[in-house]
Amino acid sequence: LAKTTQPISMDSYEGQEVNITCSHNNIATNDYITWYQQFPSQGPRFIIQGYKTKVTNEVASLFIPADRKSSTLSLPRVSLSDTAVYYCLVGEGRANFNKFYFGSGTKLNVKP
Amino acid sequence: EAQVTQNPRYLITVTGKKLTVTCSQNMNHEYMSWYRQDPGLGLRQIYYSMNVEVTDKGDVPEGYKVSRKEKRNFPLILESPSPNQTSLYFCASSFLTSGDSYEQYFGPGTRLTVT
Repeated sequence: LAKTTQPISMDSYEGQEVNITCSHNNIATNDYITWYQQFPSQGPRFIIQGYKTKVTNEVASLFIPADRKSSTLSLPRVSLSDTAVYYCLVGEGRANFNKFYFGSGTKLNVKP
Repeated sequence: EAQVTQNPRYLITVTGKKLTVTCSQNMNHEYMSWYRQDPGLGLRQIYYSMNVEVTDKGDVPEGYKVSRKEKRNFPLILESPSPNQTSLYFCASSFLTSGDSYEQYFGPGTRLTVT
């Protein structure tokens, strides 16, 4: 099962774009890349998911290079409410339904 | 409202006293899962279930049991709780998207303390 490596923490200021990179060197062919957001004492919340290239939704963009060994979550113009822990998750494809590995996540601190 | 509910939200118990944490989802999802979260360790999967009567171990199953008799419910059972099971527990349910991948919905969490 592919494991992930993320920075433990990051600081940013309101209005800035934040990019969080996740390394997953052992990603399998059928693995998807998913990012979740978690606030203290709450369950994680799905942000975005992708398989290759670029995916964008109303809250974030996900960039995946051709070799898929890493991915970058991009949060445009962050606000104080984006302060949370962000998890990169590899797996979750139909062929890899059995185990989801979260890792330790990146704690993002947005300052005013 | 689509949601995953857990009960109780907070529980303090003593070593060896059997307990059950309930989990229920109203989204008709086939896949359900239990995680525990400890400081510095992120979320670790305990057990998962692909459908009714189909369950399997995750990364940290020791000391836990689960059952899936109905699609909507997935209770977590601690037959003989120990202090090292003090943790924050999350239940999740997921569905297979049109893109052939899973998206998980998490419950609000159950904070368990075993003394």
